[in-house]
Amino acid sequence: GAVVSQHPSRVICKSGTSVKIECRSLDFQATTMFWYRQFPKKSLMLMATSNEGSKATYEQGVEKDKFLINHASLTLSTLTVTSAHPEDSSFYICSAGASGYTFGSGTRLTVV
Amino acid sequence: GESVGLHLPTLSVQEGDNSIINCAYSNSASDYFIWYKQESGKGPQFIIDIRSNMDKRQGQRVTVLLNKTVKHLSLQIAATQPGDSAVYFCAENMGKIKAAGNKLTFGGGTRVLVKP
Repeated sequence: GAVVSQHPSRVICKSGTSVKIECRSLDFQATTMFWYRQFPKKSLMLMATSNEGSKATYEQGVEKDKFLINHASLTLSTLTVTSAHPEDSSFYICSAGASGYTFGSGTRLTVV
Repeated sequence: GESVGLHLPTLSVQEGDNSIINCAYSNSASDYFIWYKQESGKGPQFIIDIRSNMDKRQGQRVTVLLNKTVKHLSLQIAATQPGDSAVYFCAENMGKIKAAGNKLTFGGGTRVLVKP
């Protein structure tokens, strides 16, 4: 079945630094991937749609310069949180648009 | 820090009993719906899906019911087991059926606690 791999699972970074999160489709090609953010005890909120070979589409209220998305191949999308602040601490999850919308295992980001 | 807000509604169920989780969706144009299970610290796991041209679909120990008239979706879990303890989310797709390019909108979620 479709498998989406997300890395790292946990990351701690200092305020002001940048951190990159990878999302890979392991056994299928994904022209589209999605990035979500989830706060504790809350639902998933879509941040952006990652499009292979073109610019990402961001949801309203999401800063594109802060959350950089690159989808350079059919199996890899990356989310870079730039100039991280403690308020960016959250659980970030990606999904790929194969049948069933398969999700990665998530990345717990803690900014200290 | 953690945002202050409503906690997830919780359904406590005795092991072996049936569970029913409800979800109201927002867009009458949605044509594809998915139920996900999310365990702590993990990504959502696909459980079952249903298209808008159906009103019921069954899987292994799970049944999804769709009522388009009132925009309501439910997930029934038969003979609930301790391993079913998790948060359950419904999600709707407001585009072409299973089209890869369309995004999902998630409901608020329900926590299921299975008591031994």
